[in-house]
Amino acid sequence: DVKVTQSSRYLVKRTGEKVFLECVQDMDHENMFWYRQDPGLGLRLIYFSYDVKMKEKGDIPEGYSVSREKKERFSLILESASTNQTSMYLCASSLGGGGDYGYTFGSGTRLTVV
Amino acid sequence: AQSVAQPEDQVNVAEGNPLTVKCTYSVSGNPYLFWYVQYPNRGLQFLLKYITGDNLVKGSYGFEAEFNKSQTSFHLKKPSALVSDSALYFCAVRAVTGGFKTIFGAGTRLFVKA
Repeated sequence: DVKVTQSSRYLVKRTGEKVFLECVQDMDHENMFWYRQDPGLGLRLIYFSYDVKMKEKGDIPEGYSVSREKKERFSLILESASTNQTSMYLCASSLGGGGDYGYTFGSGTRLTVV
Repeated sequence: AQSVAQPEDQVNVAEGNPLTVKCTYSVSGNPYLFWYVQYPNRGLQFLLKYITGDNLVKGSYGFEAEFNKSQTSFHLKKPSALVSDSALYFCAVRAVTGGFKTIFGAGTRLFVKA
């Protein structure tokens, strides 16, 4: 079964910590995405990548960075965690090309910043 | 700019009755349209997509959706609801010429009562 795996289901971090969220996919997908999900706001795109070492800002990139050193791995980095970054973080991947492919999502990481 | 609206925060339906979850969109040019479902504490699962062709699209778990270009809508439907259909449903849109960026709606919670 094809998968997108997020390394942690639940995380609790302190304000000011540097936080790494890891995502790995085994489908050889070109595109990978990071979203955050908040009640009433749906999913908001933080960053995405359409190739190794390539990255593009989404709608809410402030306070975040990403790394894609290998095709299968896309990491989200919170440079200095703040309480307003408490959220559910979802990683997704898709095939490249014309953009008509659906996404495969990971199970999510629920991050609490205290 | 692309946008998606799900006008109902919650939809309640009795088991065995038909259900509709509404979605309208705004995009420049032709759209790719998607529906996803999220069960508690899980990532999103792909249900169905409209790319081109027949306006009625069939997907997983007996769901279907109808694309209406004049009303810019893509409502999700099922002829007979099950209690197990209770979940959070997200509509999403991507412009054909919009590259890799998919915009998600805020989500509609579906409750199916036995």
